[in-house]
Amino acid sequence: DSGVTQTPKHLITATGQRVTLRCSPRSGDLSVYWYQQSLDQGLQFLIQYYNGEERAKGNILERFSAQQFPDLHSELNLSSLELGDSALYFCASSVGLLAGGPEEQYFGPGTRLTVT
Amino acid sequence: QKEVEQDPGPLSVPEGAIVSLNCTYSNSAFQYFMWYRQYSRKGPELLMYTYSSGNKEDGRFTAQVDKSSKYISLFIRDSQPSDSATYLCAMEITNDYKLSFGAGTTVTVRA
Repeated sequence: DSGVTQTPKHLITATGQRVTLRCSPRSGDLSVYWYQQSLDQGLQFLIQYYNGEERAKGNILERFSAQQFPDLHSELNLSSLELGDSALYFCASSVGLLAGGPEEQYFGPGTRLTVT
Repeated sequence: QKEVEQDPGPLSVPEGAIVSLNCTYSNSAFQYFMWYRQYSRKGPELLMYTYSSGNKEDGRFTAQVDKSSKYISLFIRDSQPSDSATYLCAMEITNDYKLSFGAGTTVTVRA
């Protein structure tokens, strides 16, 4: 158990809908990362937050947004869902040093999203 | 062409064999090289990482980086059935905070 929790475990929804995935980082970790894992694209970095502020952005679609709250939990919002958004979404957390790296990222168990 | 290339396998070996995994990459700015292990229906977990070129050993695992060839390897000695998993290489540019992953190689160690 990495100490990172993600809810829900599974989510089935229809095209065009909007969903919110939730992540609680390990106790004491300030950085949260979101990844998408699909069969054709593999594991792709979406976005990172450090202590409430966006720090790095990857190939995140404009239909997707995220935020990190003062209690350090994070949410990933996916809207106008398409069939191709079906994937495993992982959250990871790390201590969040200000410089240097890399830091060990601890991954949660993931949320499996199915868009029908 | 993807930034990080990794043969997805699958790879099947008998218990006790040496498992050899590798990745190639195109971005010469990568400085940190990592190997993650992912069991079925679980999140990836970090096995080991190497900074720049060289070798690193941790128990039965050895990671090698050859920056001149843009090639990294992971060797698992005396493989066990519990090593059966998907192994992903990952790379990062210093202070970039973004990990670039390979596709992952699925390994099965047969008892």
